[in-house]
Amino acid sequence: DTGVSQNPRHKITKRGQNVTFRCDPISEHNRLYWYRQTLGQGPEFLTYFQNEAQLEKSRLLSDRFSAERPKGSFSTLEIQRTEQGDSAMYLCASMRQGEGMGEKLFFGSGTQLSVL
Amino acid sequence: AQSVTQLGSHVSVSEGALVLLRCNYSSSVPPYLFWYVQYPNQGLQLLLKYTSAATLVKGINGFEAEFKKSETSFHLTKPSAHMSDAAEYFCAVRGTGNQFYFGTGTSLTVIP
Repeated sequence: DTGVSQNPRHKITKRGQNVTFRCDPISEHNRLYWYRQTLGQGPEFLTYFQNEAQLEKSRLLSDRFSAERPKGSFSTLEIQRTEQGDSAMYLCASMRQGEGMGEKLFFGSGTQLSVL
Repeated sequence: AQSVTQLGSHVSVSEGALVLLRCNYSSSVPPYLFWYVQYPNQGLQLLLKYTSAATLVKGINGFEAEFKKSETSFHLTKPSAHMSDAAEYFCAVRGTGNQFYFGTGTSLTVIP
């Protein structure tokens, strides 16, 4: 168990550019979540996958955001035409669904995005 | 709908003193509640979880939390603070779907 891995750790980009983040969950975890966290706030849900299926998306996720999990393993989160308001920490979490409602999330260290 | 509210964005305690971090929940169904801790430059880690088995839940690092339905609370406590407890603490509730809703966090400072 190597934990949830996120790359890159930091990303600086100019407004209007596209960025893509990657998340590698714990290998046997079938559920994967993306969250966004800004300073002084708790993680805000963006979207989640069960295997390769994207089952739910938050209203926070504008059409500039897209997430994929093509083979039910790693996931990518792409932001197109970045805006300064997109600057945040993007967190990925995974868990193994099936043990009841008390399953716990395992979080990665996040990708810090700064849009200049 | 489910949500949690954390009272106090910053808490300072002296080393060896009692730690009390407050969390109140709102849920239309029996809640599943969690406390996570986030150390600087690290991901969130689960401290403990309540899944209706017992109202007093013990977690890692000497932390515990008590579920009080009458007060809709799930406060986190530790009898004696240690310097290594300095971190950000988040209360969370699991929704009826598969979402987890987090509070805004409480930053704990431990004064030597």
